[in-house]
Amino acid sequence: DGGITQSPKYLFRKEGQNVTLSCEQNLNHDAMYWYRQDPGQGLRLIYYSQIVNDFQKGDIAEGYSVSREKKESFPLTVTSAQKNPTAFYLCASILAGNTGELFFGEGSRLTVL
Amino acid sequence: GENVEQHPSTLSVQEGDSAVIKCTYSDSASNYFPWYKQELGKRPQLIIDIRSNVGEKKDQRIAVTLNKTAKHFSLHITETQPEDSAVYFCAALHGAGSYQLTFGKGTKLSVIP
Repeated sequence: DGGITQSPKYLFRKEGQNVTLSCEQNLNHDAMYWYRQDPGQGLRLIYYSQIVNDFQKGDIAEGYSVSREKKESFPLTVTSAQKNPTAFYLCASILAGNTGELFFGEGSRLTVL
Repeated sequence: GENVEQHPSTLSVQEGDSAVIKCTYSDSASNYFPWYKQELGKRPQLIIDIRSNVGEKKDQRIAVTLNKTAKHFSLHITETQPEDSAVYFCAALHGAGSYQLTFGKGTKLSVIP
């Protein structure tokens, strides 16, 4: 069953802690993305990666880091430098060549206590 | 970079009426325009898309129109039903060689029975 798997679905963090959100896809997609969703703000791009070992900052990259060591995996670390990390995080992927549909994971909801 | 504006932010219609959501984009090199529907607590899912070489596309009760000259595109839902209630996002994919998708801020559609 192909798709994108995000984990954990819910995560609580104390201030000052780093957390890593997992994103794995078995769709053989080349490009992967992390979006942050806040009420009334739509989907804002954090980081994206078009190929392994390469990634680019999106519009709101400050306080976040990523890696792309394998085609299937694109983990996102929310660092203590992110001042307002409570949000819904969505991972997505797309096949190369502008062929269309962006596939989303089910999301991870991070709450900072 | 690309900028996508979406209006209105909220829309209420009576069941059976039509709903129209409009988006504008800034990058004339953008060539792919998808629309996503997100139900409460779920991931966004593609409902219809259009490429820059087409002016209109229809799929049952849903249609999308594109005006490249004016750089705007619209989603039309006819004969609305309560299950159409959701948040709808438009997006634009940047030009050749880019996999960066920019989203509008979303429209919360409520269909009143």
